[in-house]
Amino acid sequence: QLQLQESGPGLVKPSETLSLTCSVSGDSIRSPSYYWAWIRQPPGKGLEWIGLMYYSGSSYYYKPSLKSRVTISVDTSRNYFSLRLTSVTAADTAVYYCARQRAGSRYYMDVWGEGTTVTVSS
Amino acid sequence: QSVLTQPPSVSAAPGQKVTISCSGSTSNIEKNFVSWYQKLPRTAPKLLIYDNDKRPSGIPDRFSGSNSGATATLGITGLQTGDEADYYCGTWDTSLGFWVFGGGTKLTVL
Repeated sequence: QLQLQESGPGLVKPSETLSLTCSVSGDSIRSPSYYWAWIRQPPGKGLEWIGLMYYSGSSYYYKPSLKSRVTISVDTSRNYFSLRLTSVTAADTAVYYCARQRAGSRYYMDVWGEGTTVTVSS
Repeated sequence: QSVLTQPPSVSAAPGQKVTISCSGSTSNIEKNFVSWYQKLPRTAPKLLIYDNDKRPSGIPDRFSGSNSGATATLGITGLQTGDEADYYCGTWDTSLGFWVFGGGTKLTVL
């Protein structure tokens, strides 16, 4: 059974870079049927999709408003994928989730990590 | 504002039925599959409905999904207090080129 687990620092200073990792266990990240995605939920707000990447890196999409600051990468040798968000501000404070997102124009997210809270503060 | 519009809140009594709408446009709901997620406090979102009207294994048939034009609807019958949660619709927007969530609907079971 596929499981995802986020990890990374819970506190990031303004203007610095937020880096999170999502470990994939129970299946290979090389699945041709899925993308690997990041979603966040700021306190008191709704879900916000950040972006996704295919395991090979051949296909990826980012939310345009975040595109200039976001990088998602996949490490197939270690079976994990990562999120990098630069120049963070307090508005980036959120619970960050990683998820498996179905490919083939279906795009639903069927497996989620438990989430990790990131606070941006000096 | 979200590209997909959901009512901020809905409520109904235990045992009753409730529907949650998700209004979009020709570039998202009319063109692509919709999925629905249940979000309980301090837990990860849970997939309830995918491909407009399919339920993953383990999701009871009290939950249903349907589409009509640019509006998707989540239905929940036989409401239970454990159904109190936030519910989100989502789909790909072909014009924008990324995945969009609705703003979420808070369900209260009175």
